[in-house]
Amino acid sequence: DTGVSQNPRHKITKRGQNVTFRCDPISEHNRLYWYRQTLGQGPEFLTYFQNEAQLEKSRLLSDRFSAERPKGSFSTLEIQRTEQGDSAMYLCASSLDQGHKNTEAFFGQGTRLTVV
Amino acid sequence: AQKITQTQPGMFVQEKEAVTLDCTYDTSDPSYGLFWYKQPSSGEMIFLIYQGSYDQQNATEGRYSLNFQKARKSANLVISASQLGDSAMYFCAMREVNTGANSKLTFGKGITLSVRP
Repeated sequence: DTGVSQNPRHKITKRGQNVTFRCDPISEHNRLYWYRQTLGQGPEFLTYFQNEAQLEKSRLLSDRFSAERPKGSFSTLEIQRTEQGDSAMYLCASSLDQGHKNTEAFFGQGTRLTVV
Repeated sequence: AQKITQTQPGMFVQEKEAVTLDCTYDTSDPSYGLFWYKQPSSGEMIFLIYQGSYDQQNATEGRYSLNFQKARKSANLVISASQLGDSAMYFCAMREVNTGANSKLTFGKGITLSVRP
């Protein structure tokens, strides 16, 4: 499978617990993005990496959220002390940076988080 | 102000007919890209078509074409010969290049398309 892979696909957790999601991008892609999508809305940008460097973080990414991409390949997104408002679909995408040429981002199937 | 506006309510189209999904955008960046994605019920975002702000021709990809009107800041998606499998949410998105963020996509709220047999 050469697409973007996300695990797990679904996660149910109790409020206050920590959760971690994993994203494996397309292998030659140097950019990796995390988005959050709530019901009836479009995806909202959370953060992105160029190789292992985290270059931009949205204000949506509170201090309970942390993302890593330690070797410039897969990435993890951790949410500490989950709240019900964190319930959403978390989407990962990757793309190949070619300077100023716009390139499309390819998305994974997402991880649906439900906080109860 | 919203950067991407998709205001149509749920859209319905008869199988084999064409349908236009509207998108308007707002940016002061002269260099930007516009994208359309399809999201079926499975949740995956599927890239459909891309239009660059400096592209002279409207983009086309198979049954998808983009009606790009730069002065009006609109980038409508046209789907020709609709198929039942086209039923999904459709999102318009923009990437602004010169803001120093040749990076994130900003999405609209999406439009639900239902294709009737």
